[in-house]
Amino acid sequence: NAGVTQTPKFQVLKTGQSMTLQCAQDMNHNSMYWYRQDPGMGLRLIYYSASEGTTDKGEVPNGYNVSRLNKREFSLRLESAAPSQTSVYFCASGLAGSYEQYFGPGTRLTVT
Amino acid sequence: GENVEQHPSTLSVQEGDSAVIKCTYSDSASNYFPWYKQELGKRPQLIIDIRSNVGEKKDQRIAVTLNKTAKHFSLHITETQPEDSAVYFCAASREDKIIFGKGTRLHILP
Repeated sequence: NAGVTQTPKFQVLKTGQSMTLQCAQDMNHNSMYWYRQDPGMGLRLIYYSASEGTTDKGEVPNGYNVSRLNKREFSLRLESAAPSQTSVYFCASGLAGSYEQYFGPGTRLTVT
Repeated sequence: GENVEQHPSTLSVQEGDSAVIKCTYSDSASNYFPWYKQELGKRPQLIIDIRSNVGEKKDQRIAVTLNKTAKHFSLHITETQPEDSAVYFCAASREDKIIFGKGTRLHILP
């Protein structure tokens, strides 16, 4: 099992460009999550999906959109990147909310 | 909404001593409290968790305690070793919403 995979690992964007971060899991988990991690700020939830076909906002959803394509895949889109979105992005999955989350390796995004 | 406060932000202990990290939460409906460890450049990984119907849980050198009345929970690491150096995050969860604390950077001094 690959667990949770993310692509790309690194990305540099110019302000205003768009991109999609991809996430996939092969553990048959219902719930999937997108977080951003900034120094001194911990892990902040951007969006989550409790099951295929549903998505909900987390703490910091502004500037992002998500798609739960199927049970395996959950993508995060930045329509018009801003320097404030420079961060490390982690995808995670779990059986449900009150269970262990398994994190992907992360994507380091820099917006100039 | 839920708010999770974590203290201290940085902790240095001598190898072999104990380390304690404390968290408080605001939402009394939170029912699951995991702790994650993140080594430098790596992804967070669960090290221990506790549910609201349990007051304490141990796993070898690691223990977690929960006080529902006071809405706080703590991570205890005994006989610390160099490989315990990392950032530790607490979290509080209800249904599908989870809020993480800002993390504690633990340094184990030789």
